Amino acid sequence: EADIYQTPRYLVIGTGKKITLECSQTMGHDKMYWYQQDPGMELHLIHYSYGVNSTEKGDLSSESTVSRIRTEHFPLTLESARPSHTSQYLCASSEFGGEETQYFGPGTRLLVL
Amino acid sequence: GEDVEQSLFLSVREGDSSVINCTYTDSSSTYLYWYKQEPGAGLQLLTYIFSNMDMKQDQRLTVLLNKKDKHLSLRIADTQTGDSAIYFCAEPTGANNLFFGTGTRLTVIP
Repeated sequence: EADIYQTPRYLVIGTGKKITLECSQTMGHDKMYWYQQDPGMELHLIHYSYGVNSTEKGDLSSESTVSRIRTEHFPLTLESARPSHTSQYLCASSEFGGEETQYFGPGTRLLVL
Repeated sequence: GEDVEQSLFLSVREGDSSVINCTYTDSSSTYLYWYKQEPGAGLQLLTYIFSNMDMKQDQRLTVLLNKKDKHLSLRIADTQTGDSAIYFCAEPTGANNLFFGTGTRLTVIP
């Protein structure tokens, strides 16, 4: 069973607020990812990291930022939330190399009013 | 760039077999993956197949790979109501990430 956690699970917040979505994994994985999932199901990679102090932008442009100060922790921050940020955010991690199996957290469902 | 296509919806009766299809673009992919997403949850790896294999069987799941046509399928035998979920096909990208398909929502009718 994967040990990857996301908090909060659900968040309703007003426009203009700063929010941080937390993601932690206890598997010692080097790579971590953030995906945004549309209501219609498609997953879009918005950020990833190869390890500590590494952050990369994904395929979908996002106004969010990430940091990777510790191996197990990969928070995502929105400085000023907008209704267009309403979505589900999924965090994942994987070993680097090999078959690249990704393990997913349960997701954070964000609603910006 | 990568493109992974799946049909969006599939409905089957309980006890029947389900076949979920996927086409991908990158012929150099070493592994291809099937993930399952249950309502309100993250994705869970179901199975993967190495590109030098044509078929992989794991209990009720059978994965078929046709490299010539870049076609991947997932067959679920004796489909149960607990199999109702969204199924994603995924292939690796040049940056060693995964590119996910659009997902197929499987509905199992009792």
